[in-house]
Amino acid sequence: EADIYQTPRYLVIGTGKKITLECSQTMGHDKMYWYQQDPGMELHLIHYSYGVNSTEKGDLSSESTVSRIRTEHFPLTLESARPSHTSQYLCASSESRSTDTQYFGPGTRLTVL
Amino acid sequence: GENVEQHPSTLSVQEGDSAVIKCTYSDSASNYFPWYKQELGKGPQLIIDIRSNVGEKKDQRIAVTLNKTAKHFSLHITETQPEDSAVYFCAASRETSGSRLTFGEGTQLTVNP
Repeated sequence: EADIYQTPRYLVIGTGKKITLECSQTMGHDKMYWYQQDPGMELHLIHYSYGVNSTEKGDLSSESTVSRIRTEHFPLTLESARPSHTSQYLCASSESRSTDTQYFGPGTRLTVL
Repeated sequence: GENVEQHPSTLSVQEGDSAVIKCTYSDSASNYFPWYKQELGKGPQLIIDIRSNVGEKKDQRIAVTLNKTAKHFSLHITETQPEDSAVYFCAASRETSGSRLTFGEGTQLTVNP
């Protein structure tokens, strides 16, 4: 099993609150990713990072922001949560040099009331 | 960029039957094709992958085939069991320094006892 962790696993929060979803990996991977997954199954890439101080927006526009100050840590922040942000958020990482294999965390199920 | 299409979106089989999920990709330079299994409440997990220097790969009851000329690859599960029920994702990438996986839309497989 890959060593990638997400907290919290479940979060129910009111509209307007600021939230941070945590993602950490202990594999020393350079690349990290955030996906949003709705009940329709499809994985939508919202942010990715190829290393410290490197962040890029993904294929799906998102009001969230990310930071990569340390290799092992890639938090996602929503400044003001709205019901439209209700979704499953998945973090993943991959070793950049030899393979694009991604290892996923267990996900955070976010509900905004 | 790469585009990956996956079919069918839902698949229901009887226990013991075989299941086949198919994907097509658009970028002829793609050379890495992993398959992921996502069980309810968990993140996707890599189950098998194939690179373009081989046409088929097997691991017990699962196999993947690749046709680079036609730009399609398939996942085959034989002797299906109820625990095979999950969402399956295919993906493709060039596996170069700046590349990343492009995922298919997912297939919900249900194995009926």
